[in-house]
Amino acid sequence: DTEVTQTPKHLVMGMTNKKSLKCEQHMGHRAMYWYKQKAKKPPELMFVYSYEKLSINESVPSRFSPECPNSSLLNLHLHALQPEDSALYLCASSRLFPGTGSYEQYFGPGTRLTVT
Amino acid sequence: TQLLEQSPQFLSIQEGENLTVYCNSSSVFSSLQWYRQEPGEGPVLLVTVVTGGEVKKLKRLTFQFGDARKDSSLHITAAQPGDTGLYLCAGAGFGNEKLTFGTGTRLTIIP
Repeated sequence: DTEVTQTPKHLVMGMTNKKSLKCEQHMGHRAMYWYKQKAKKPPELMFVYSYEKLSINESVPSRFSPECPNSSLLNLHLHALQPEDSALYLCASSRLFPGTGSYEQYFGPGTRLTVT
Repeated sequence: TQLLEQSPQFLSIQEGENLTVYCNSSSVFSSLQWYRQEPGEGPVLLVTVVTGGEVKKLKRLTFQFGDARKDSSLHITAAQPGDTGLYLCAGAGFGNEKLTFGTGTRLTIIP
């Protein structure tokens, strides 16, 4: 099973709303990620959790707040977003590739977020 | 800063033709991953190459990792409309959880 699941698939929210994106994996991966992807661009890293601790924050505005309740779950809490935050939000998890010091990432299907 | 340049940026060819996509960097990576992404969906991992000079085949797709671990290529034989999508290469650092993504190649196969 190499599946990462994300909910919801689509989300429309106003600039004053509070919403959360959810991600789940049951592959035993200990690193989980949030990415933002704009149309026709590669994914941009937002946050990395390693062993349930935030290890990388790529200077993301505080209106995005990640949370890792346990090793299988990753949330992204959204508050007071701007229209330019509209994008595809991707969750990923990774494992160490056997015999290397290299991580191999698996992505979820994404949440299409529209901020109005 | 590690950068991965992909070429071509766009490619539109007829069904049945062959093609090669290149992924180049001045940096060394511990491994390189290739993904295919369809509009509105997440990237799907196609392959991970970890050894310099390694060649991996996945049906009609052949992936190669450069000897110096700085570049990679993806060759598709007899392209089919189902191969249409955005192809992304991504390099992994040594013991580093981050991936450096390439600039992407948008492939269209015309029936």
